[in-house]
Amino acid sequence: NAGVTQTPKFQVLKTGQSMTLQCAQDMNHEYMSWYRQDPGMGLRLIHYSVGAGITDQGEVPNGYNVSRSTTEDFPLRLLSAAPSQTSVYFCASSAGGTGELFFGEGSRLTVL
Amino acid sequence: DAKTTQPNSMESNEEEPVHLPCNHSTISGTDYIHWYRQLPSQGPEYVIHGLTSNVNNRMASLAIAEDRKSSTLILHRATLRDAAVYYCILRFYSGGSNYKLTFGKGTLLTVNP
Repeated sequence: NAGVTQTPKFQVLKTGQSMTLQCAQDMNHEYMSWYRQDPGMGLRLIHYSVGAGITDQGEVPNGYNVSRSTTEDFPLRLLSAAPSQTSVYFCASSAGGTGELFFGEGSRLTVL
Repeated sequence: DAKTTQPNSMESNEEEPVHLPCNHSTISGTDYIHWYRQLPSQGPEYVIHGLTSNVNNRMASLAIAEDRKSSTLILHRATLRDAAVYYCILRFYSGGSNYKLTFGKGTLLTVNP
């Protein structure tokens, strides 16, 4: 019953540091995506992928990189963290293009 | 991009039905209407989705207008555990085999005991 697993759940970074948020799903889903949620806001799409080797940008891709080397994993990389990237990050997956999205529990990132 | 409009907040009493509206006047023929909800400090969870016909599941019902420019999520008997932010979103085709799913701010549902 793992579903979508995100690690770490909490992280504090200093400005300029790099890190990777991990996302893994065990449902053999083709579609995976990353969202960020700022206080009082809805979710904004950062990047998404429709299969291994295929990624595309969402609404707010600047400052983030992604890759999809396997069906299961979709890591989100922050190359040089900025305070504006302080947010809660959610990873989501689905079996196809129009079906139900399954979300992870979120990763809370603070950049000082 | 097709967008949705929802009220910022709504209130309901426990054990009463709740009708959460959503307008999507620019919806296209290939857009699916999805509803998700987010409880405090949790990730969003799927509620229901549909294309043209009304849909029912164990959590809720989705009523879709004939012209598909609006929809309503119906919680038949609200409980305190239904207090959450409800998002109405369109899952749309953006070219090739890609699909984007964008969220607005949703409707904050308060359930009074």
